[in-house]
Amino acid sequence: GESVGLHLPTLSVQEGDNSIINCAYSNSASDYFIWYKQESGKGPQFIIDIRSNMDKRQGQRVTVLLNKTVKHLSLQIAATQPGDSAVYFCAENLTGRRALTFGSGTRLQVQP
Amino acid sequence: EAGVAQSPRYKIIEKRQSVAFWCNPISGHATLYWYQQILGQGPKLLIQFQNNGVVDDSQLPKDRFSAERLKGVDSTLKIQPAKLEDSAVYLCASSLTGHGTDTQYFGPGTRLTVL
Repeated sequence: GESVGLHLPTLSVQEGDNSIINCAYSNSASDYFIWYKQESGKGPQFIIDIRSNMDKRQGQRVTVLLNKTVKHLSLQIAATQPGDSAVYFCAENLTGRRALTFGSGTRLQVQP
Repeated sequence: EAGVAQSPRYKIIEKRQSVAFWCNPISGHATLYWYQQILGQGPKLLIQFQNNGVVDDSQLPKDRFSAERLKGVDSTLKIQPAKLEDSAVYLCASSLTGHGTDTQYFGPGTRLTVL
């Protein structure tokens, strides 16, 4: 989702449910995508990545899906836990650059 | 393995004052990045070093921001003079080689408040 200033989109889920966080990217030349988790007062932490020649990649409790046709990325978290509460950012790498371009973030709130 | 270290963690200054931030990357990492993160937004790259050379500083406001990595290890970011809109968290990150698919590891950031 898109954020405007302080108003991050928020996803609220119950503990144990699955979470899906979405991200749209604009540059079709991007060839590498990463999801980061950022807890309050901390720097972003790498979760999972995917290259443009893949459409799905799985990690421990997390899955990233890439749809290049509509330039959409999603992060699925299975059996969401209170410790998953954080802001999640997608980031993309543009061909020819080595630095990341971050999206605007989604806040995940896990209700016990 | 020790992570990326940054200091100070918090800084409050008045506009037009100067401020400096310090970063110590993960040992052996050739590439160092400085990002600015305004509240509610994703980090935005300010400058990227490969060893002690600048790779990308296209988004660094060079009239007031400067950064150096003299010995290819630690780095400092300076703002002189600061403006109200510089209030943000300044994040330092490092990666092993700087290649596009290299994982970037972030420090805890320095939260700057300009009054």
